[in-house]
Amino acid sequence: SQELEQSPQSLIVQEGKNLTINCTSSKTLYGLYWYKQKYGEGLIFLMMLQKGGEEKSHEKITAKLDEKKQQSSLHITASQPSHAGIYLCGADHGSGNTGKLIFGQGTTLQVKP
Amino acid sequence: DAGVIQSPRHEVTEMGQEVTLRCKPISGHNSLFWYRQTMMRGLELLIYFNNNVPIDDSGMPEDRFSAKMPNASFSTLKIQPSEPRDSAVYFCASSFLGTLYSEQYFGPGTRLTVT
Repeated sequence: SQELEQSPQSLIVQEGKNLTINCTSSKTLYGLYWYKQKYGEGLIFLMMLQKGGEEKSHEKITAKLDEKKQQSSLHITASQPSHAGIYLCGADHGSGNTGKLIFGQGTTLQVKP
Repeated sequence: DAGVIQSPRHEVTEMGQEVTLRCKPISGHNSLFWYRQTMMRGLELLIYFNNNVPIDDSGMPEDRFSAKMPNASFSTLKIQPSEPRDSAVYFCASSFLGTLYSEQYFGPGTRLTVT
């Protein structure tokens, strides 16, 4: 969706390196969700951000929300082969909790051992 | 919890045939979403239900697509007649819509190929 742009589209990193994926919205964000997808499988929920400046971490993955810039970033520290997959951001652009999400095109991550 | 269950996992059919995809949401969830994923268009929301009632079907491509949710534990997405351009992975997701924000849990998807 052009309402939500992810960058880069794909990324190849060496194991152990850090990386960042960005998600930029053209509309006001009321909630930003990060998911991971492995080829041929469904999406796995990672984290949800809802307030400007909010930052959440799970293991070696950290997500931040910049409400003013309508942007979120996903940072992986010391990447491992298990981090490989497609990362998608999903945005709630509604003022209420409709549950309706618009997703970005995804960022494909490869981690070379 | 078994998670969101979808069937079949793979479907191959000929153009013009009717296709029915099935979904069982997570018990206790009150919202259900149908998505379609392709390389060209990414992940698109087709329709979603809240308490078994269709809320937004603006993403349904055309009249060939229809979705039902007869009860809280079952939903179907039907394509009749199917066309090659309908080939995609179809995902069902469910969530509990009650708190301010709620994450969706996705099923494994149905890979549809229309020849």
